Amino acid sequence: GESVGLHLPTLSVQEGDNSIINCAYSNSASDYFIWYKQESGKGPQFIIDIRSNMDKRQGQRVTVLLNKTVKHLSLQIAATQPGDSAVYFCAEQLAHTGTASKLTFGTGTRLQVTL
Amino acid sequence: DAGVIQSPRHEVTEMGQEVTLRCKPISGHDYLFWYRQTMMRGLELLIYFNNNVPIDDSGMPEDRFSAKMPNASFSTLKIQPSEPRDSAVYFCASSSRTGGRGYNEQFFGPGTRLTVL
Repeated sequence: GESVGLHLPTLSVQEGDNSIINCAYSNSASDYFIWYKQESGKGPQFIIDIRSNMDKRQGQRVTVLLNKTVKHLSLQIAATQPGDSAVYFCAEQLAHTGTASKLTFGTGTRLQVTL
Repeated sequence: DAGVIQSPRHEVTEMGQEVTLRCKPISGHDYLFWYRQTMMRGLELLIYFNNNVPIDDSGMPEDRFSAKMPNASFSTLKIQPSEPRDSAVYFCASSSRTGGRGYNEQFFGPGTRLTVL
């Protein structure tokens, strides 16, 4: 079976509070940064993305901030709900440049929403 | 839209046996990706195809792993012989270069949980 390995960092947040999940990326040449949500027993699901020429993008209850100076990405979830409990991954990708279509995923953060 | 379909959802096998995982991408998508997820290594890209042609297989762990895409609607990932360290969740994802974003947004299937005893 699987070896015991890395424990995901866990963020515990009370329902109704705001959540901030952080990610450090590695490739300064990445053009797009994407946040994925993975619920237990399911595949990663797209949440929101941001292009490298932006520093902030807002969606419904979610905001992504990009700081290229320190290669840092964050996901803010407003008014966190129990359904937000999941593992969140950041991913980076080069734009369409021939066959460069790979996503590089971070290690993930587990968000636990307490009642 | 049915999304990416993977089968089986769960597979339990014994060491040394051949394992075949299957994936049906979203219709019209021209990219297909195979990932492996473990607690130790996280989510790793194994191989990806464009228009049924393997583009990058640098993530395939060793010769025991092989992947094929005989047509635009079907791909397999085969492990022969399987070993306990292959136990993981294997995801298939597909995307379209013409999907409207500046990059290939990948849509993931539900995964196959493989246990090798």
